[in-house]
Amino acid sequence: EADIYQTPRYLVIGTGKKITLECSQTMGHDKMYWYQQDPGMELHLIHYSYGVNSTEKGDLSSESTVSRIRTEHFPLTLESARPSHTSQYLCASSELGGDGYTFGSGTRLTVV
Amino acid sequence: RKEVEQDPGPFNVPEGATVAFNCTYSNSASQSFFWYRQDCRKEPKLLMSVYSSGNEDGRFTAQLNRASQYISLLIRDSKLSDSATYLCVVKGGTGANNLFFGTGTRLTVIP
Repeated sequence: EADIYQTPRYLVIGTGKKITLECSQTMGHDKMYWYQQDPGMELHLIHYSYGVNSTEKGDLSSESTVSRIRTEHFPLTLESARPSHTSQYLCASSELGGDGYTFGSGTRLTVV
Repeated sequence: RKEVEQDPGPFNVPEGATVAFNCTYSNSASQSFFWYRQDCRKEPKLLMSVYSSGNEDGRFTAQLNRASQYISLLIRDSKLSDSATYLCVVKGGTGANNLFFGTGTRLTVIP
């Protein structure tokens, strides 16, 4: 049974729409992350959070934004989706000071 | 130069074969090392951490060579279920934005 949940699993949406990708974890982890992965390519960190009210941009520039109002919840929002946003988005979490990351099953986003 | 470099493969091996993957990292200050497994269209899952003394978990053995800055994964007696992409992952300092993923090495075990 998954301890970190992402919804939706798949999303096809038109250009210009606003979307929010949901990520929730039940492990009480302080650190949460969003990665972007294109097919056959490595994961790139786009956002991370150390805890409630903490958000930082990652190594890969992204037009998305995130929020961390509750420990267990780390949603990612795209205000105006474009075809270049088509990718897989993976949410992960880890304990503060811990090395192991637990990943969600991902959201495969297609913008048409 | 990429932080982590892996041979993308694919490696196609028969069942029962032994296969080894290597990975190099560029930051000599890197502190922690891992192998993750990612099945097609699934999320990465931690396979094993890699320690300086080397470590073994069943058919899987991981080695770290800090002097040469490379990490290896050895899989003995390959099973069909081992078919996946194996990601080399390196962690640098204490910040959250320093877990670097390789592109992965794709393994297919053939009956």
